[in-house]
Amino acid sequence: GENVEQHPSTLSVQEGDSAVIKCTYSDSASNYFPWYKQELGKGPQLIIDIRSNVGEKKDQRIAVTLNKTAKHFSLHITETQPEDSAVYFCAASNRNTGFQKLVFGTGTRLLVSP
Amino acid sequence: DVKVTQSSRYLVKRTGEKVFLECVQDMDHENMFWYRQDPGLGLRLIYFSYDVKMKEKGDIPEGYSVSREKKERFSLILESASTNQTSMYLCASCEGPNTEAFFGQGTRLTVV
Repeated sequence: GENVEQHPSTLSVQEGDSAVIKCTYSDSASNYFPWYKQELGKGPQLIIDIRSNVGEKKDQRIAVTLNKTAKHFSLHITETQPEDSAVYFCAASNRNTGFQKLVFGTGTRLLVSP
Repeated sequence: DVKVTQSSRYLVKRTGEKVFLECVQDMDHENMFWYRQDPGLGLRLIYFSYDVKMKEKGDIPEGYSVSREKKERFSLILESASTNQTSMYLCASCEGPNTEAFFGQGTRLTVV
């Protein structure tokens, strides 16, 4: 089955710096890669996703890149703000199974200091 | 505003008790999921359901069962709670493959 590895487990940056979180996946059939943000006391919430037919996607200060050959994808946050502090999870799934089965990474705790 | 609601934020149960965790979604989603979240392990899939009365085992189903009698409700059952089931439990729903999953706020279960 699919296995997703995520690094780093913790990341501390100064406000205004960029943050990069990296994930690798094992199943070459995976074709959907979402990123979730989990704030304290809340459930994870989707912030951006990418499908295997594109290599990069941007939404304001966040972007995701996908390298299918190397089987890795990354989340980039620019101009970080204190409210970006949270735990971020990457995930992968394969719609060819006919239903959604997301496999998550182990999470990255991002701390943005003012 | 779409919503996935878990019946309890915090639960404390005794070893051996039968425990029910309830989840309701108001988005008419076909797919519902139960995950377990532990530090350093991320979110691990316990069970999922892609239709009423249908269920599939996830990656860690041992010690758990589920029930989906109505489309909007998905219940996780711990037949005989054990201390190693102390964890955060998250329910989620989505419309179909490769679509956004919406999560509940989580239930922190402590088994003593």
